[in-house]
Amino acid sequence: GAGVSQTPSNKVTEKGKYVELRCDPISGHTALYWYRQSLGQGPEFLIYFQGTGAADDSGLPNDRFFAVRPEGSVSTLKIQRTERGDSAVYLCASSILAGGINEQFFGPGTRLTVL
Amino acid sequence: ILNVEQSPQSLHVQEGDSTNFTCSFPSSNFYALHWYRWETAKSPEALFVMTLNGDEKKKGQISATLNTKEGYSYLYIKGSQPEDSATYLCATHAPGNTGKLIFGQGTTLQVKP
Repeated sequence: GAGVSQTPSNKVTEKGKYVELRCDPISGHTALYWYRQSLGQGPEFLIYFQGTGAADDSGLPNDRFFAVRPEGSVSTLKIQRTERGDSAVYLCASSILAGGINEQFFGPGTRLTVL
Repeated sequence: ILNVEQSPQSLHVQEGDSTNFTCSFPSSNFYALHWYRWETAKSPEALFVMTLNGDEKKKGQISATLNTKEGYSYLYIKGSQPEDSATYLCATHAPGNTGKLIFGQGTTLQVKP
């Protein structure tokens, strides 16, 4: 079956612009996670959804970052007034349920470059 | 703050060499330890999830061990092949068991033919 997909695969933008990153999870997965990997570091948790609601957004770095999952499936990560420090690979993962050792299936990521 | 550390940061070996890397994590409030393989331009792929002290898991030529009392896990690759070249990530769970994973910085393995 189809895995987690993310679009676009690459995004180049200018400082100050607004970007949206999309994640299509595996059908039937109720939990959806966003992580960010900056150069030389491991993936860092941003936010996770259980269904339509953001259950934990403690990893969002500031109020320029926002994510939605209005119908409990596709999620969009929105970044306003992008800064050069936002350049990273943004990973999305989904699992059947949140918590426990439910395997998180990852997408290939969106590489964001802010010039 | 939950710190997960991996070493070495990078490794270059010849085809056929065996190798191993380390993941260190806080031993208190341990829930589970995950190993992922992440090849360039692909999705991170789950290798193992380990929960019990003394766990050993094996998939082909890759195996992993877990010591929850001292807070470390080893990943071993026997007879490395060029297709094993990837970044290997370990992750543990943040307190509260929400599925939120805390990752190490990864070990990047390059296997030369």
